[in-house]
Parts: sequence; structure tokens; C-alpha cells
Amino acid sequence: QSALAQPASVSGSPGQSITISCTGTSSDVGRNNFVTWYRQHPGQAPKLLIYDVTIRPSGVSDRFSGSKSGNTASLTISGLQPDDEADYYCTSYTTSSIYVFGTGTEVTVL
Amino acid sequence: EVQLVESGGGLVQPGGSLRLSCAASGFTFSSHWMHWVRQVPGKGLVWVARINNDGSNTGHADSVKGRFTISRDNAKNTVYLEMNSLRAEDTAVYYCARDAGYSFGFEADFWGQGTLVTVSS
Repeated sequence: QSALAQPASVSGSPGQSITISCTGTSSDVGRNNFVTWYRQHPGQAPKLLIYDVTIRPSGVSDRFSGSKSGNTASLTISGLQPDDEADYYCTSYTTSSIYVFGTGTEVTVL
Repeated sequence: EVQLVESGGGLVQPGGSLRLSCAASGFTFSSHWMHWVRQVPGKGLVWVARINNDGSNTGHADSVKGRFTISRDNAKNTVYLEMNSLRAEDTAVYYCARDAGYSFGFEADFWGQGTLVTVSS
């Protein structure tokens, strides 16, 4: 099972919107809607931002939104803030009943 | 307060074995699926294994299948990762994580602090 493909880095200015892609295959992202997104600040545990492609857990800002088209899922961060500078990871459930992470994206706030 | 505390990491030679433990507290352990995730410092997250709430169903990443085994003891509120035939590429910090149970995805809402496993001669 190969890691889902994410861009290595994405940057934006405060207040802007950015989108991080997460490309898999018909055996994972394209097969189901069990895609999740995490944010990880250096030295900290990952935080769940999105599950089931589009749903935000309670307490997660509505600046984070998810979507999916075919084999590619996306996370959009609107109104970029300095605290959004972190690493972001997608995950997907697979046809083998296991999970796979994305390669990770480093977000820089300019 | 939910707490997950991993232990059992350390230095082991290639081909050796190690058993990691993750002691849970602050929630009804038997109601939650649990996962192990690893991360080489400075690198990305890699999902390793998961176990359902009563231990009857498990899943392992292809990279560890046949070498690692996840298990749990609900009476002890503990999840384990038995690691055999260890390789240099298994060197990483290993985290246990609680699944929130919202749906069927990997929905980890609490993580431990991690335990470092180093495989080297």
C-alpha cells in the first residue's frame, strides 16, 4: 500500500486561502468517503481536523473544509493564520481494511 | 482526563523483538478502537496497526504484516504491539492513538507521547 501523494509544501499569506491535495487510487481515496485530515505542529501530537471527507469534529474551526473528487481529496484552509503553519496529513481507509497516510504537506504562512 | 502512556521502546538489534505497551486511562477503554502509528523524527506519519474494541478484529500495514501483532487487554486498559524480526527501517517513534469512533476512517482524537524504537547493531 503506497502512501497517498501530497505536495511537499504549500504557502500563503495571512488571510488567504490555500488548498492541499491528497491523491490516492481507486483502492483507497476513490473507493470510499473515509478520508481524514490532521494538522501536526512540531513536537506535538497530530490534531484531527476533518473526517469522512467533509465533516469537522466539534471544536475545529470552520476555516477548515474538505472535499473529494475521484481519487483526490482536498483540504482548504481559509483566512490563513500564523498558527496554521504546520504539517498536514491526509489518511484514507483502503480496500484491504487498513489505513494509509499521505506523504505530508508543510504549510508556510508568509 | 484521557491519557495514553506508551512504554517498551529501546535499542534492539536487527532481527530482534520488542513489545510496546500503551496504558490508557480517563475513558472507557473497551469502547474504542485503538491504533499504532509511527514517525521517524523529521519525517511523515505512518499508520501501523489497529484493533477493534473487543480485540476480535485487527489490521496491519503491509510493511509490518507477519512481523508485528497488535493486541489488547481490556481488563488492564492496555494495547500492545508485539514486534518481531525488526529491521533498521522500523526505527521510529511509535505512538498509540484512540479512535474517536465517529465513522470508519482513521479518527484519532487522543495520542500518547510516543516511545522511541531504535533498530541497530
